[in-house]
Amino acid sequence: SQELEQSPQSLIVQEGKNLTINCTSSKTLYGLYWYKQKYGEGLIFLMMLQKGGEEKSHEKITAKLDEKKQQSSLHITASQPSHAGIYLCGADSGLISGTYKYIFGTGTRLKVLA
Amino acid sequence: DAGITQSPRHKVTETGTPVTLRCHQTENHRYMYWYRQDPGHGLRLIHYSYGVKDTDKGEVSDGYSVSRSKTEDFLLTLESATSSQTSVYFCATLGTGDGYGYTFGSGTRLTVV
Repeated sequence: SQELEQSPQSLIVQEGKNLTINCTSSKTLYGLYWYKQKYGEGLIFLMMLQKGGEEKSHEKITAKLDEKKQQSSLHITASQPSHAGIYLCGADSGLISGTYKYIFGTGTRLKVLA
Repeated sequence: DAGITQSPRHKVTETGTPVTLRCHQTENHRYMYWYRQDPGHGLRLIHYSYGVKDTDKGEVSDGYSVSRSKTEDFLLTLESATSSQTSVYFCATLGTGDGYGYTFGSGTRLTVV
């Protein structure tokens, strides 16, 4: 069955540093979602990528989907303490036997030291 | 088999009827969540729980209620189902400490006719 591997599992960076989180699938993705969660709260939708090679940015966060649509990266530039939280990728693996299948990574816990 | 079990996996119900979805976990995780997923959209949080009998509303809680009487079970009730509640519902738990990470159920596909 298809799985999403997210790396690293946790990350501690100094404020101002750049960082990258990866999300890899064994099969082609039809839609890749990135979420953020602050500790104790629900997931917040960040962005969705659908086309191979697509790149989207929101403030200092940039997400890319590779040409083969099997890997996505989330890059944070000049990290701030407000970026701390859990980042989760989720994927729509398309119609399988007439049913949409959705899968999720286990998340990356980010801590930003002031 | 450890993890999360959602039941039922599929359900078709009529408008106006109450529906209860069940989420059962064997991970002993404190945090549990109910989300809905609609094609082309991200997950939207309905309700969440941070312990037995401790629950709170998410961003799309209208028309839904939850209960958590035991650590392992988190129930989502649609009080009077409407067609706009046709969706795929996911339960998730969040492990902390050494067992850190999200675990998602396989989803419940609900159709309201």
